[in-house]
Amino acid sequence: EVRLVESGGGLVRPGGSLRLSCAASGFTFSSYSMNWVRQAPGKGLEWVSSIITSNTYIYYVDSVKGRFTISRDNAKNSLYLQMNSLRAEDTALYYCARVGYYDSIDYWGQGTLVTVSS
Amino acid sequence: SYELTQPPSVSVSPGQTASITCSGDKLGDKYASWYQQKPGQSPVLVIYQDTKRPSGIPERFSGSNSGNTATLTISGTQAMDEADYYCQAWDNSAYVFGTGTKVTVL
Repeated sequence: EVRLVESGGGLVRPGGSLRLSCAASGFTFSSYSMNWVRQAPGKGLEWVSSIITSNTYIYYVDSVKGRFTISRDNAKNSLYLQMNSLRAEDTALYYCARVGYYDSIDYWGQGTLVTVSS
Repeated sequence: SYELTQPPSVSVSPGQTASITCSGDKLGDKYASWYQQKPGQSPVLVIYQDTKRPSGIPERFSGSNSGNTATLTISGTQAMDEADYYCQAWDNSAYVFGTGTKVTVL
């Protein structure tokens, strides 16, 4: 069974930092590209970042470029998102998600909540 | 940047057919996926590669994609299908999600 379990969310002041983690199990983690997708309270889905299997290609939505860094440790079956210079508009539930066939996202975690507020 | 537009809401009677559109420039040249999200739950993939259903997704869910519009069709809609639905495509090294459609089963 595929499992994606996020952690690391919490309350942080504007300008602060957080590191999100995602523990993957039930599949060969190193063989799959992975995403972070967020959802602000009461809003729609927003893609944040993608990382290809071997760290060779990394992509970000424009609004987080230069502030967020995605990474993975295939030996630990883990995905990370380092978030710096956080803003109120970064407040959201952050999902770890696996890339499936033909650019789809086939598995999602339960999400970890990030709240940026003073 | 690329945008995908969906109607905010669709209402359907039980047993009837619900159609949700997703509009984007030359969307038919890309692969469209669809996700169902119920309140308090994570999204679930219901259609990928325009028309394919993942294992475990009921046959009443179907998809199409041509020109500038992708469509998710729910045939014989059931009360359990009441949810938010999002389309998604990959464009210029970025995932793009649609604006979302709330399906209400009256």
